[in-house]
Amino acid sequence: KQEVTQIPAALSVPEGENLVLNCSFTDSAIYNLQWFRQDPGKGLTSLLLIQSSQREQTSGRLNASLDKSSGRSTLYIAASQPGDSATYLCAVFLREYGNKLVFGAGTILRVKS
Amino acid sequence: NAGVTQTPKFRILKIGQSMTLQCTQDMNHNYMYWYRQDPGMGLKLIYYSVGAGITDKGEVPNGYNVSRSTTEDFPLRLELAAPSQTSVYFCASSYPTPPEQYFGPGTRLTVT
Repeated sequence: KQEVTQIPAALSVPEGENLVLNCSFTDSAIYNLQWFRQDPGKGLTSLLLIQSSQREQTSGRLNASLDKSSGRSTLYIAASQPGDSATYLCAVFLREYGNKLVFGAGTILRVKS
Repeated sequence: NAGVTQTPKFRILKIGQSMTLQCTQDMNHNYMYWYRQDPGMGLKLIYYSVGAGITDKGEVPNGYNVSRSTTEDFPLRLELAAPSQTSVYFCASSYPTPPEQYFGPGTRLTVT
């Protein structure tokens, strides 16, 4: 059974710092991986999708990498800002019909001004 | 485009009552999903659909039912609500490829 773990569970950093959020999964035979952001009391916003043939994706100050052999993905946030404060969720796609996702519990990020 | 919309935003049910959570998407996505999110936990898949008339169970389907009569709509039915169904419910949709899922704003349900 695929399990997804995110470390750390919570992180507090000063504004301007570069930071890394970690995601690990037990079954390396994943299809794709998606990172989301969730603001308190809100829905999920897709940040980056890394497809199985890719090793990384970039969007603005965000860079996500995928290493299927080690069962890990990282989300790198450059020059963090208070507006980056949110919960970041990692989800892996199962190699099954229907593009089903298995989610980690998330990392709660607080960027202090 | 409105994307994925969900109604209601909030609801309080008494034990044993029933209700339907509505989900509509305007992106012409084939695939639709229902998830629940409990405090401090990741989302868990309840049901999913790969097209009109086709639905299947996810990880936690007990106590729920779905239907998919159109591409746009994917309602989730709770029969005989129980306190264990207190949660936030999210609907999502995607194309078969690329598989990127888009989420609605959620419905916060409390069963007392």
